[in-house]
Amino acid sequence: GDSVTQMEGPVTLSEEAFLTINCTYTATGYPSLFWYVQYPGEGLQLLLKATKADDKGSNKGFEATYRKETTSFHLEKGSVQVSDSAVYFCALSDPGGATNKLIFGTGTLLAVQP
Amino acid sequence: EAGVAQSPRYKIIEKRQSVAFWCNPISGHATLYWYQQILGQGPKLLIQFQNNGVVDDSQLPKDRFSAERLKGVDSTLKIQPAKLEDSAVYLCASSLDISANTQYFGPGTRLTVL
Repeated sequence: GDSVTQMEGPVTLSEEAFLTINCTYTATGYPSLFWYVQYPGEGLQLLLKATKADDKGSNKGFEATYRKETTSFHLEKGSVQVSDSAVYFCALSDPGGATNKLIFGTGTLLAVQP
Repeated sequence: EAGVAQSPRYKIIEKRQSVAFWCNPISGHATLYWYQQILGQGPKLLIQFQNNGVVDDSQLPKDRFSAERLKGVDSTLKIQPAKLEDSAVYLCASSLDISANTQYFGPGTRLTVL
């Protein structure tokens, strides 16, 4: 079945460092891809999404490009801030499927130190 | 616009007791999801409703879990009797329709079973 694999954390960076969190997926159809962020004590928030190959999703300085050839959707940010400390989840859904449910990776904890 | 509301935020019970969680989706959203997030894992879909009908409950442990959305608006998820392994955060999400690309999540209910 469909699945998502994320790099394990925690990822610890200094403020203003470059961030990459790797995400690869397995899917039989043409999935939409998402990054969700979960700040401490809060629910999941959609960070960005891409619905077809070569699309780039971006928000709050974060970017991810839908790469069909490598089945990847890596999250990047050029300069992280302490406020970016959170758990990041990569996810996919199959809009052509019966349910369009989200399938999540295990999450990557990012800790940014001042 | 009000977000997805959930209550309670926290619940502690003894094993074999019963518990219920409530979710009120964003107004006008036809599709409602319940996810279970065990510590250190990504959320996993338990059940999905389209209006008041069940679309997918293949991952719901039906011997102990039940859910309803009688009027197609708010929803209740029940566990009876609870087991230690049910300790998790229960997330409710909603989307405009089953084909919509974005799901909006509530803050979750953290359940601890002792």
